[in-house]
Amino acid sequence: AQKVTQAQTEISVVEKEDVTLDCVYETRDTTYYLFWYKQPPSGELVFLIRRNSFDEQNEISGRYSWNFQKSTSSFNFTITASQVVDSAVYFCALVGGGADGLTFGKGTHLIIQP
Amino acid sequence: DVKVTQSSRYLVKRTGEKVFLECVQDMDHENMFWYRQDPGLGLRLIYFSYDVKMKEKGDIPEGYSVSREKKERFSLILESASTNQTSMYLCASSLQRGVRTQYFGPGTRLTVL
Repeated sequence: AQKVTQAQTEISVVEKEDVTLDCVYETRDTTYYLFWYKQPPSGELVFLIRRNSFDEQNEISGRYSWNFQKSTSSFNFTITASQVVDSAVYFCALVGGGADGLTFGKGTHLIIQP
Repeated sequence: DVKVTQSSRYLVKRTGEKVFLECVQDMDHENMFWYRQDPGLGLRLIYFSYDVKMKEKGDIPEGYSVSREKKERFSLILESASTNQTSMYLCASSLQRGVRTQYFGPGTRLTVL
Protein backbone atom coordinates (compact mmCIF):
# COMPACT_ATOMS: atom_id res chain seq x y z
CA ALA A 1 0.00 0.00 0.00
CA GLN A 2 1.10 3.52 -0.66
CA LYS A 3 0.72 6.45 1.64
CA VAL A 4 1.50 10.16 1.57
CA THR A 5 1.57 12.21 4.74
CA GLN A 6 1.42 15.98 4.86
CA ALA A 7 1.56 16.64 8.57
CA GLN A 8 1.00 20.38 8.26
CA THR A 9 -2.71 21.00 7.86
CA GLU A 10 -2.37 24.77 7.68
CA ILE A 11 0.52 27.20 7.60
CA SER A 12 0.21 30.95 7.88
CA VAL A 13 3.13 33.29 7.19
CA VAL A 14 3.63 36.91 6.37
CA GLU A 15 4.50 37.87 2.83
CA LYS A 16 8.19 37.62 1.90
CA GLU A 17 8.87 34.92 4.46
CA ASP A 18 10.25 31.58 3.30
CA VAL A 19 8.05 28.58 3.94
CA THR A 20 8.59 24.82 3.64
CA LEU A 21 5.82 22.30 3.09
CA ASP A 22 6.63 18.80 4.26
CA CYS A 23 5.78 15.56 2.48
CA VAL A 24 6.63 12.06 3.68
CA TYR A 25 5.72 9.01 1.63
CA GLU A 26 5.58 5.25 1.95
CA THR A 27 5.81 2.77 -0.89
CA ARG A 28 7.21 -0.69 -1.53
CA ASP A 29 7.85 0.05 -5.18
CA THR A 30 11.44 0.59 -6.24
CA THR A 31 10.28 2.79 -9.09
CA TYR A 32 7.84 5.54 -8.26
CA TYR A 33 7.00 9.14 -9.03
CA LEU A 34 6.33 12.05 -6.72
CA PHE A 35 4.35 15.16 -7.51
CA TRP A 36 3.35 18.50 -6.10
CA TYR A 37 0.11 20.16 -7.11
CA LYS A 38 -1.29 23.57 -6.20
CA GLN A 39 -5.02 24.11 -5.71
CA PRO A 40 -5.96 27.80 -5.60
CA PRO A 41 -9.40 28.91 -4.39
CA SER A 42 -10.76 28.42 -7.91
CA GLY A 43 -10.44 24.67 -7.34
CA GLU A 44 -8.33 23.50 -10.26
CA LEU A 45 -5.31 21.37 -9.42
CA VAL A 46 -2.22 22.83 -11.07
CA PHE A 47 0.75 20.57 -11.70
CA LEU A 48 4.00 21.96 -10.28
CA ILE A 49 6.63 19.24 -10.45
CA ARG A 50 7.28 15.54 -10.96
CA ARG A 51 10.23 13.63 -9.55
CA ASN A 52 11.29 10.09 -10.43
CA SER A 53 12.55 7.79 -7.69
CA PHE A 54 15.88 7.31 -9.43
CA ASP A 55 16.58 11.03 -9.68
CA GLU A 56 17.42 12.60 -6.32
CA GLN A 57 18.60 15.91 -7.70
CA ASN A 58 16.97 18.89 -6.09
CA GLU A 59 15.03 21.21 -8.31
CA ILE A 60 14.72 24.96 -8.33
CA SER A 61 12.22 26.90 -10.39
CA GLY A 62 12.16 30.60 -9.63
CA ARG A 63 11.02 31.01 -6.04
CA TYR A 64 10.10 27.32 -5.76
CA SER A 65 12.49 24.54 -4.80
CA TRP A 66 12.06 20.89 -4.00
CA ASN A 67 14.22 18.66 -1.82
CA PHE A 68 13.87 14.93 -2.53
CA GLN A 69 15.56 12.57 -0.05
CA LYS A 70 15.02 8.84 -0.47
CA SER A 71 16.83 8.10 2.80
CA THR A 72 14.07 9.83 4.75
CA SER A 73 11.26 9.21 2.19
CA SER A 74 10.63 12.91 1.98
CA PHE A 75 9.86 15.32 -0.82
CA ASN A 76 9.67 18.79 0.68
CA PHE A 77 8.65 21.97 -1.10
CA THR A 78 10.05 25.40 -0.24
CA ILE A 79 8.73 28.76 -1.38
CA THR A 80 11.23 31.56 -1.04
CA ALA A 81 10.05 35.13 -0.51
CA SER A 82 6.40 34.10 -0.42
CA GLN A 83 3.72 36.19 -2.07
CA VAL A 84 0.00 36.52 -1.49
CA VAL A 85 -0.62 34.72 -4.82
CA ASP A 86 1.03 31.65 -3.32
CA SER A 87 -1.95 31.20 -1.01
CA ALA A 88 -3.51 27.86 -1.91
CA VAL A 89 -3.80 24.26 -0.83
CA TYR A 90 -0.75 22.25 -1.85
CA PHE A 91 -0.89 18.53 -2.41
CA CYS A 92 1.92 16.03 -2.51
CA ALA A 93 1.15 12.85 -4.48
CA LEU A 94 2.73 9.52 -5.30
CA VAL A 95 2.29 6.85 -7.94
CA GLY A 96 4.12 3.51 -7.89
CA GLY A 97 5.69 1.82 -10.85
CA GLY A 98 2.80 -0.50 -11.51
CA ALA A 99 -0.10 1.68 -10.50
CA ASP A 100 -1.99 4.37 -12.31
CA GLY A 101 -3.99 6.53 -9.96
CA LEU A 102 -2.24 9.05 -7.78
CA THR A 103 -2.18 8.64 -4.01
CA PHE A 104 -2.54 12.09 -2.49
CA GLY A 105 -1.68 13.53 0.86
CA LYS A 106 -4.44 15.45 2.60
CA GLY A 107 -2.95 18.76 1.58
CA THR A 108 -1.46 21.77 3.33
CA HIS A 109 -3.42 25.00 3.31
CA LEU A 110 -0.89 27.80 2.90
CA ILE A 111 -1.98 31.31 3.84
CA ILE A 112 0.26 34.21 2.91
CA GLN A 113 -0.73 37.35 4.73
CA PRO A 114 0.12 40.75 3.26
CA ASP B 1 -1.01 23.62 -22.93
CA VAL B 2 -3.10 20.69 -21.82
CA LYS B 3 -6.73 21.57 -21.47
CA VAL B 4 -9.14 19.50 -19.44
CA THR B 5 -12.67 20.81 -19.20
CA GLN B 6 -15.61 19.69 -17.13
CA SER B 7 -19.18 20.35 -18.13
CA SER B 8 -20.30 22.14 -14.97
CA ARG B 9 -18.57 23.97 -12.14
CA TYR B 10 -21.57 23.64 -9.83
CA LEU B 11 -24.40 21.14 -9.92
CA VAL B 12 -27.36 20.57 -7.60
CA LYS B 13 -29.33 17.34 -7.86
CA ARG B 14 -31.91 15.48 -5.83
CA THR B 15 -31.55 12.11 -4.16
CA GLY B 16 -32.29 9.31 -6.58
CA GLU B 17 -31.57 11.27 -9.75
CA LYS B 18 -29.22 9.93 -12.39
CA VAL B 19 -26.30 12.32 -12.73
CA PHE B 20 -23.79 12.67 -15.55
CA LEU B 21 -20.50 14.48 -15.09
CA GLU B 22 -18.64 15.10 -18.33
CA CYS B 23 -14.95 15.59 -18.89
CA VAL B 24 -13.17 16.45 -22.13
CA GLN B 25 -9.46 16.72 -22.86
CA ASP B 26 -7.99 18.20 -26.01
CA MET B 27 -4.47 16.73 -26.02
CA ASP B 28 -5.13 13.23 -27.38
CA HIS B 29 -4.31 11.69 -24.00
CA GLU B 30 -4.90 7.98 -23.63
CA ASN B 31 -5.55 7.91 -19.89
CA MET B 32 -8.38 9.63 -18.06
CA PHE B 33 -9.29 9.61 -14.39
CA TRP B 34 -12.07 10.59 -12.02
CA TYR B 35 -11.35 11.59 -8.41
CA ARG B 36 -13.50 12.95 -5.65
CA GLN B 37 -12.23 15.41 -3.07
CA ASP B 38 -13.66 15.65 0.42
CA PRO B 39 -12.51 17.68 3.43
CA GLY B 40 -10.30 15.61 5.68
CA LEU B 41 -10.14 12.74 3.18
CA GLY B 42 -8.20 14.35 0.37
CA LEU B 43 -8.52 13.10 -3.20
CA ARG B 44 -9.56 9.55 -3.90
CA LEU B 45 -9.61 7.70 -7.20
CA ILE B 46 -13.03 6.53 -8.39
CA TYR B 47 -12.41 5.13 -11.90
CA PHE B 48 -9.91 5.44 -14.68
CA SER B 49 -9.61 4.47 -18.32
CA TYR B 50 -6.66 3.55 -20.54
CA ASP B 51 -8.47 3.63 -23.81
CA VAL B 52 -11.84 3.96 -25.49
CA LYS B 53 -14.39 1.57 -24.01
CA MET B 54 -11.95 0.46 -21.32
CA LYS B 55 -12.39 1.20 -17.64
CA GLU B 56 -10.78 0.20 -14.38
CA LYS B 57 -12.04 0.58 -10.83
CA GLY B 58 -10.18 2.84 -8.51
CA ASP B 59 -10.30 2.92 -4.73
CA ILE B 60 -13.93 3.94 -4.27
CA PRO B 61 -16.01 2.83 -7.30
CA GLU B 62 -19.19 1.92 -5.39
CA GLY B 63 -22.19 3.93 -6.52
CA TYR B 64 -20.49 5.12 -9.70
CA SER B 65 -20.03 3.98 -13.27
CA VAL B 66 -18.15 5.49 -16.21
CA SER B 67 -18.33 5.68 -19.95
CA ARG B 68 -15.65 6.31 -22.52
CA GLU B 69 -17.06 6.18 -26.02
CA LYS B 70 -14.55 8.63 -27.50
CA LYS B 71 -10.91 9.11 -26.63
CA GLU B 72 -11.32 12.73 -25.56
CA ARG B 73 -14.40 12.26 -23.37
CA PHE B 74 -14.80 10.45 -20.06
CA SER B 75 -18.12 10.52 -18.25
CA LEU B 76 -18.82 9.76 -14.61
CA ILE B 77 -22.31 8.47 -13.88
CA LEU B 78 -24.11 8.42 -10.58
CA GLU B 79 -26.87 5.90 -11.21
CA SER B 80 -28.96 7.02 -8.23
CA ALA B 81 -27.47 10.00 -6.48
CA SER B 82 -27.27 9.96 -2.71
CA THR B 83 -26.41 12.67 -0.21
CA ASN B 84 -23.07 11.03 0.61
CA GLN B 85 -22.03 11.67 -2.98
CA THR B 86 -22.03 15.40 -2.35
CA SER B 87 -18.44 16.27 -3.16
CA MET B 88 -15.99 17.97 -5.48
CA TYR B 89 -15.32 15.81 -8.53
CA LEU B 90 -12.08 16.24 -10.43
CA CYS B 91 -11.24 14.80 -13.81
CA ALA B 92 -7.66 14.29 -14.98
CA SER B 93 -5.81 12.98 -18.02
CA SER B 94 -2.31 11.76 -18.79
CA LEU B 95 -0.59 11.08 -22.07
CA GLN B 96 -0.24 7.30 -21.84
CA ARG B 97 0.57 4.46 -19.47
CA GLY B 98 4.05 5.01 -18.11
CA VAL B 99 3.78 8.77 -18.46
CA ARG B 100 2.59 9.60 -15.01
CA THR B 101 1.89 13.30 -14.95
CA GLN B 102 -1.83 13.94 -14.68
CA TYR B 103 -3.46 17.21 -15.67
CA PHE B 104 -6.64 18.22 -13.94
CA GLY B 105 -9.83 19.97 -14.91
CA PRO B 106 -11.43 22.76 -12.86
CA GLY B 107 -13.68 20.40 -10.91
CA THR B 108 -17.43 20.03 -10.48
CA ARG B 109 -18.90 20.75 -7.08
CA LEU B 110 -21.91 18.46 -6.80
CA THR B 111 -24.54 18.88 -4.12
CA VAL B 112 -27.13 16.14 -3.68
CA LEU B 113 -30.17 17.23 -1.69
